[in-house]
Amino acid sequence: AQTVTQSQPEMSVQEAETVTLSCTYDTSENNYYLFWYKQPPSRQMILVIRQEAYKQQNATENRFSVNFQKAAKSFSLKISDSQLGDTAMYFCAFMKQGDNFNKFYFGSGTKLNVKP
Amino acid sequence: EPEVTQTPSHQVTQMGQEVILRCVPISNHLYFYWYRQILGQKVEFLVSFYNNEISEKSEIFDDQFSVERPDGSNFTLKIRSTKLEDSAMYFCASGRIAGGPTEQFFGPGTRLTVL
Repeated sequence: AQTVTQSQPEMSVQEAETVTLSCTYDTSENNYYLFWYKQPPSRQMILVIRQEAYKQQNATENRFSVNFQKAAKSFSLKISDSQLGDTAMYFCAFMKQGDNFNKFYFGSGTKLNVKP
Repeated sequence: EPEVTQTPSHQVTQMGQEVILRCVPISNHLYFYWYRQILGQKVEFLVSFYNNEISEKSEIFDDQFSVERPDGSNFTLKIRSTKLEDSAMYFCASGRIAGGPTEQFFGPGTRLTVL
């Protein structure tokens, strides 16, 4: 079974600063994908960034980057130059490769507050 | 940009009553999912649906739950006889491609409160 753990229920950061959200996971699979989803208040979850486990290079998307440590089973999200619009719930998620129906295993989420 | 929509946004019901949660997936998507999140807990997979049948379901998805795609656009989750522990946020999602790192598009959720 796969489990995803987000140990920070809530975090705050000042606008323009950098914040890192933690995520660890447990799996016996060797091939899988990892994701960060963002859910703004009263809005849909949207994909922020994804990482294929077979890639050593950490994924980046503009101000968002990950630190993927496969051996440690760690997948943290770094948000640089935080903006007020980054205020949201952030979910870390795991998906087995070859899972035909792409089922996610989610963490419990981290609520990020960006302060002006 | 197309979005997954869900109705209602909040449903309050009495224990033992039937509820139907509705979702309109993105029109060219083929794979449909329901997840739920009990307050303060993880988002949990309930069921996936493809080609008009359930492809996978979790232990949570017992005989009290059912899904259907009645008209080719809506995707519904029915809880036959609600329990207090069914109170949760229910998320619908849809996706186009299986077997790869496809992005699932999520709806905004329906908050179900069972009294």
